[in-house]
Amino acid sequence: AQSVTQLGSHVSVSEGALVLLRCNYSSSVPPYLFWYVQYPNQGLQLLLKYTSAATLVKGINGFEAEFKKSETSFHLTKPSAHMSDAAEYFCAVTTYSSASKIIFGSGTRLSIRP
Amino acid sequence: DADVTQTPRNRITKTGKRIMLECSQTKGHDRMYWYRQDPGLGLRLIYYSFDVKDINKGEISDGYSVSRQAQAKFSLSLESAIPNQTALYFCATSDTQGGSSYNEQFFGPGTRLTVL
Repeated sequence: AQSVTQLGSHVSVSEGALVLLRCNYSSSVPPYLFWYVQYPNQGLQLLLKYTSAATLVKGINGFEAEFKKSETSFHLTKPSAHMSDAAEYFCAVTTYSSASKIIFGSGTRLSIRP
Repeated sequence: DADVTQTPRNRITKTGKRIMLECSQTKGHDRMYWYRQDPGLGLRLIYYSFDVKDINKGEISDGYSVSRQAQAKFSLSLESAIPNQTALYFCATSDTQGGSSYNEQFFGPGTRLTVL
């Protein structure tokens, strides 16, 4: 079975500062990993996904994530936070044998201070 | 127009009432999903369907039922609503184009359900 742990239910950074949202996964087989973003009163949309092609994955809005097998991590980063980045972020995992079922983490709410 | 739509967007009901939440998609995807979102718990899978004749329980299916009326429509029913079913419900779709089983899921805007 797979699982995802997001460290920190709430992260607050200043505008222009580095954004780091942490995600650790557990999987007995090679995982496929996702980061989704949820803006207020909206559904989730995909930021980026890791599917074993490259360990550093670039997504939309300047976000990127690095797959580190040795650390079982898939942390999300952005060099410079913008006010529009305020949202809830979900890390998620699936595997080839999971038949498209995705397991979501509990989410991290990102706040941006002016 | 939105690719994945959900109706209603908000619903308040009373304990014991039957409620149906509807999801429609114009993406042509074969797979559809129902999730509920609760604060601090992320999204949890209720039911999923790979095609009209293939429906499967997720991790929290008790108290819920579903119907896949067509490839584009997937409804979630609460036969007798209870207060702890108060949550935000999301429908999602995905396809298996190219044989990939890890295609992203596309989400509807959600239905906020309150059971009094």
